[in-house]
Amino acid sequence: GNSVTQMEGPVTLSEEAFLTINCTYTATGYPSLFWYVQYPGEGLQLLLKATKADDKGSNKGFEATYRKETTSFHLEKGSVQVSDSAVYFCALSDRASGGSYIPTFGRGTSLIVHP
Amino acid sequence: NAGVTQTPKFQVLKTGQSMTLQCAQDMNHEYMSWYRQDPGMGLRLIHYSVGAGITDQGEVPNGYNVSRSTTEDFPLRLLSAAPSQTSVYFCASSPGQGNSPLHFGNGTRLTVT
Repeated sequence: GNSVTQMEGPVTLSEEAFLTINCTYTATGYPSLFWYVQYPGEGLQLLLKATKADDKGSNKGFEATYRKETTSFHLEKGSVQVSDSAVYFCALSDRASGGSYIPTFGRGTSLIVHP
Repeated sequence: NAGVTQTPKFQVLKTGQSMTLQCAQDMNHEYMSWYRQDPGMGLRLIHYSVGAGITDQGEVPNGYNVSRSTTEDFPLRLLSAAPSQTSVYFCASSPGQGNSPLHFGNGTRLTVT
C-alpha cells in the first residue's frame, strides 16, 4: 500500500534560519505530492503541490521538488519567520484499487520558530 | 465563498450518546471525506465518498456511520459515543482528480466523558 514518512518533530528554529522537513513516500502508482500546513485551531490548507517528477512546487517562500528517483518531496524555506510556526503535513494522492484517488498523509511535523 | 463548513465547532457528549457532525461544501466537489486527528497519530481516514449515494470505509470506520444523499452534504454519525472517540474531526472535499488538493473545514473538537 501507499505510505508517507515525515521527520518527527518538533522542529525548533530561530527566526531567519533555514528549514528542511524531510518527506519520503511509497506508492504503487505515479502519485501527485502535496504539502499542507495547519495553523493552531484551524484545518489543513494546501501549501504547495507537484504532479510529476522534477516538478518544483512553491508558495510563500516554501519549496519542494518531486524526486522520483529517491521517492522524496522535502520541504524547504530559506528564512523562516515566527508566523511560519505550524504543523506541516506531507501527502500523496494515488489511484486506489477501486479507481478513486485516496490521499495518504504523513503524521505531520510541528515547526516552532522563536524570535 | 464558504468552502467546507463544519458544525458544531465544539461538542461534549456522555458515553453512549449519539450525535451527528455536519459537513457541507459549496464547491460542487465529488469527493468528500472525514478524518480524525489525534496527538502523535496524524490524520486517520474514517469514511469517504466519491459521489452522491456512494460511501466507503477508511482506516478507522468502527463506531461511525455516513451517508451522502446530496453532493453538498456528508454528515458523520456517532452511534454510541465512547471516550476513545474523543478527538478533533475534520471534513475535507476535492473535485476527485488525482492532482486536486483537499479543502478542509476548520474541525469539530469532540470530548466524550
